[in-house]
Amino acid sequence: KAGVTQTPRYLIKTRGQQVTLSCSPISGHRSVSWYQQTPGQGLQFLFEYFSETQRNKGNFPGRFSGRQFSNSRSEMNVSTLELGDSALYLCASSLVSERQGRGAFFGQGTRLTVV
Amino acid sequence: KQEVTQIPAALSVPEGENLVLNCSFTDSAIYNLQWFRQDPGKGLTSLLLIQSSQREQTSGRLNASLDKSSGRSTLYIAASQPGDSATYLCAVTYSGGGADGLTFGKGTHLIIQP
Repeated sequence: KAGVTQTPRYLIKTRGQQVTLSCSPISGHRSVSWYQQTPGQGLQFLFEYFSETQRNKGNFPGRFSGRQFSNSRSEMNVSTLELGDSALYLCASSLVSERQGRGAFFGQGTRLTVV
Repeated sequence: KQEVTQIPAALSVPEGENLVLNCSFTDSAIYNLQWFRQDPGKGLTSLLLIQSSQREQTSGRLNASLDKSSGRSTLYIAASQPGDSATYLCAVTYSGGGADGLTFGKGTHLIIQP
């Protein structure tokens, strides 16, 4: 059974640009969540999508957005990039939702560097 | 607001030792608690998931316990090996109000000396 796939693995962008990251969940999983990991703040919850709808959102500015497609694949977009957006972005896949107790399974992440 | 703390932040032990990693959370209103392992620059690998109604889970040399009333969990690693070297993260799914998603601790960086 294939795991969670995130593309690309590495990105270098310039301040002010925008970026789109992609996540393909485990087959049959309908919930996709996104997290930002930085050395200073650790792992922080960005948002969760379920059945193409954003179900929950963390405390991040509106520059961070996402969407989910009918096949459960998800994309995350960051507009007007800032140096502080440099981080490892992780996608997590769950059968229904993390609170349903089946656990979350993570991809390898996308390392975004903003210069 | 749920907060998760992991102690110690770093730990270095000789190969073969048994060790305990600690995790505490401020609000006992949780659905579950999950332990993850993260290798440098990589994603998270799920190790053990404990439901809020459970007391412990075991997988191979790993045993995780949960005391929801006191807001504590421990991860016990038996007969440690150099391959166990990684950062270990504890996360809870909060059942109170507010944003969903996992709330993570900052992790314990573990080094097993050959």
